Amino acid sequence: ETGVTQSPTHLIKTRGQQVTLRCSSQSGHNTVSWYQQALGQGPQFIFQYYREEENGRGNFPPRFSGLQFPNYSSELNVNALELDDSALYLCASGTGGLVHEQYFGPGTRLTVT
Amino acid sequence: AQSVTQLGSHVSVSEGALVLLRCNYSSSVPPYLFWYVQYPNQGLQLLLKYTSAATLVKGINGFEAEFKKSETSFHLTKPSAHMSDAAEYFCAVSDRADSSYKLIFGSGTRLLVRP
Repeated sequence: ETGVTQSPTHLIKTRGQQVTLRCSSQSGHNTVSWYQQALGQGPQFIFQYYREEENGRGNFPPRFSGLQFPNYSSELNVNALELDDSALYLCASGTGGLVHEQYFGPGTRLTVT
Repeated sequence: AQSVTQLGSHVSVSEGALVLLRCNYSSSVPPYLFWYVQYPNQGLQLLLKYTSAATLVKGINGFEAEFKKSETSFHLTKPSAHMSDAAEYFCAVSDRADSSYKLIFGSGTRLLVRP
């Protein structure tokens, strides 16, 4: 059984650019959630996708968008990058159900200069 | 709204000493509660979870946590610290009424283990 994988590991972008981060869910999981973890802070929920539809969103602007594909892999897109977008972006996959556990990937470290 | 407070951004213990990491939560409904560990340059690993069964929850690597509703606490303990326990620990709460079961994290506690 493979775990959650994310790519790329590190990324450097310039303010105003756009970025796409990718996540491959753990086998058998049908939900994917994205979290932003700024330096020295706990992760913050961006949004979740379930069966290719957005199923909950945190307090992030519309320039943060996502996709989930039929194979349950996922993308996080961020437009018009700002310096404050510099963070570790974590993807977590899970299964909808009464007891929800989320399994996290290793993250993508995004630096915006 | 739900929230989590972790008391102490840094906790330092000697190897072999008791580990106690504090977590208090705020929730209007019975919560799910979690402890995650994060090693440097890695993602989050689930240590243990409370889902309204037994109030004393045992996790991996010898950690356990006790849910105390009257104190709104979910403190993490380990009887004897090991050097490999040095990491960042996050307490999180999830609202069972929220279909996304999104996790709301505390700000984390960095555990340092002295030889």
